[in-house]
Amino acid sequence: GENVGLHLPTLSVQEGDNSIINCAYSNSASDYFIWYKQESGKGPQFIIDIRSNMDKRQGQRVTVLLNKTVKHLSLQIAATQPGDSAVYFCAENSLSLSAGGTSYGKLTFGQGTILTVHP
Amino acid sequence: NAGVTQTPKFRVLKTGQSMTLLCAQDMNHEYMYWYRQDPGMGLRLIHYSVGEGTTAKGEVPDGYNVSRLKKQNFLLGLESAAPSQTSVYFCASNRGPEDTQYFGPGTRLTVL
Repeated sequence: GENVGLHLPTLSVQEGDNSIINCAYSNSASDYFIWYKQESGKGPQFIIDIRSNMDKRQGQRVTVLLNKTVKHLSLQIAATQPGDSAVYFCAENSLSLSAGGTSYGKLTFGQGTILTVHP
Repeated sequence: NAGVTQTPKFRVLKTGQSMTLLCAQDMNHEYMYWYRQDPGMGLRLIHYSVGEGTTAKGEVPDGYNVSRLKKQNFLLGLESAAPSQTSVYFCASNRGPEDTQYFGPGTRLTVL
């Protein structure tokens, strides 16, 4: 079935390095992608999003790149800090219809990548 | 803004007991969602609501009921808890179906 997945389950970097977390998706009809950060014992926290009519979007220290040709999404974190250590999920938000006919945003998550930043 | 809050944070139940998880949001969002997160399976949608007084089934609704009597609150009920319902439960909300969902801190539930 349609799914959003990650290439690397774990990533270890040194403080100050740049980190790149990758994600592959299979639903070519998806038009909205989000990166979430989840720290231990907490809920997913929105980081950055991108619509399918864009190929790059930048935030504070983070950049998301979207390559629709190969259905690939990546999150780049500049000057990674120990506080960036967490699990990172990519997610696809697609408009869906329930059995009752109501529309909702169906959020499909990948399994997550564990980022560990060493001081 | 407190955002999305959930109570309780932790709970231990015995098989067959019932309980209600409360989600509250102060962002005036129309849409609210309940997910469960299990190791190796990511987040799965249990039920959702598109507005006050409405509810609908998600991917894994069996064993759960929900209510949305007030726009800011979304309740998740377990009538007869089973060990398979041991999980971390997250609530989320957004303005519309294509807007970013914002998550609460989660409720860790253990059913013995």
